[in-house]
Amino acid sequence: QKEVEQNSGPLSVPEGAIASLNCTYSDRGSQSFFWYRQYSGKSPELIMSIYSNGDKEDGRFTAQLNKASQYVSLLIRDSQPSDSATYLCAVRRTGTYKYIFGTGTRLKVLA
Amino acid sequence: GAGVSQSPSNKVTEKGKDVELRCDPISGHTALYWYRQRLGQGLEFLIYFQGNSAPDKSGLPSDRFSAERTGESVSTLTIQRTQQEDSAVYLCASSLGTLTYEQYFGPGTRLTVT
Repeated sequence: QKEVEQNSGPLSVPEGAIASLNCTYSDRGSQSFFWYRQYSGKSPELIMSIYSNGDKEDGRFTAQLNKASQYVSLLIRDSQPSDSATYLCAVRRTGTYKYIFGTGTRLKVLA
Repeated sequence: GAGVSQSPSNKVTEKGKDVELRCDPISGHTALYWYRQRLGQGLEFLIYFQGNSAPDKSGLPSDRFSAERTGESVSTLTIQRTQQEDSAVYLCASSLGTLTYEQYFGPGTRLTVT
């Protein structure tokens, strides 16, 4: 079992729709969770961090964390073609500064 | 302020040569990370520094790989006797460390071993 798992996609959504990206993790004691966006040929760019159960909203992005289910998700509202990228989920291991990244979900927003 | 910078942006080297990759973290960031990303694949953790100490070197693929950091500043990743399988993008990231754990990435160094 991978420590951080994501569906590789591609996930295709029409422009203006809500894109839902999911991530599960295996270390129950993980405390910090992050979503990054990576355009092809570019480095990852931080979108959001979340540390507590529940929802955290930032503009069109909402991160959701459920520690009991070991699940974190990212919702993108009003998806735009410019949102087309690979989205990486990252989890910080308990008691360390080490981060484990998922392999990413490729999102395609169709105009 | 300035973000994380890396140099060179691209490096082509012959198999068997040594290479040095440099990372300048965001000023004041105590934690620094190196990752490797092969084409079409995810991020592979290599090493991280807290200050100039490297508590976790578990990701270094072999003894041909080494890294050092000067204080809370520049870090250098050295690959000796490069092999073709070392071809990848090498990414550096930094974070404030104890106050926040958000990592910010540099643009990466694309290494090609011929």
